[in-house]
Amino acid sequence: GENVEQHPSTLSVQEGDSAVIKCTYSDSASNYFPWYKQELGKGSQLIIDIRSNVGEKKDQRIAVTLNKTAKHFSLHITETQPEDSAVYFCAAAHNFNKFYFGSGTKLNVKP
Amino acid sequence: EAQVTQNPRYLITVTGKKLTVTCSQNMNHEYMSWYRQDPGLGLRQIYYSMNVEVTDKGDVPEGYKVSRKEKRNFPLILESPSPNQTSLYFCASSFRVGGTEAFFGQGTRLTVV
Repeated sequence: GENVEQHPSTLSVQEGDSAVIKCTYSDSASNYFPWYKQELGKGSQLIIDIRSNVGEKKDQRIAVTLNKTAKHFSLHITETQPEDSAVYFCAAAHNFNKFYFGSGTKLNVKP
Repeated sequence: EAQVTQNPRYLITVTGKKLTVTCSQNMNHEYMSWYRQDPGLGLRQIYYSMNVEVTDKGDVPEGYKVSRKEKRNFPLILESPSPNQTSLYFCASSFRVGGTEAFFGQGTRLTVV
């Protein structure tokens, strides 16, 4: 089956700096890569996703890049704000069926 | 308000006592799924459902059952809970396959003693 690894497990940045979280996957058949944000006491929300036929996708301060050859994808958050503090999960799926999640990254944005 | 509702939020039970965690969504979503979250392992998919009466195993289905008799509800059933099922459980739903926003419930913290 698929194996998704996520790094780092914790990340602390100063407000206004950029944050980058990286994930690798093992199954070349995976073609859908979402990122979720989980805030304390709340469920996770999809923040951005990318399909395997696209190399990069942006949504305001958030971007995701995908390198199919190397089997890794990354989440980039620019101009971080305290409300970006949360746990972020990456995932890989094939045709949106079985999802395999990374172990999570706890992001702390210091004011 | 669009939401996924899980109940209960917290549950402590004893080994072998059957329990059901309910999940309901009010968005007419076709796709629903259950995950468990354990420290260092992230989220792992237990079961998913593509539509009413269509369910399939995820990554860690052992010890769990699900049903999808109607679109809005997707209960998770533990027929004989064991301590290794102590975990944080999340239900999720989305409108269709891929490229669309997924909504997660607030989670159910289950402890089996």
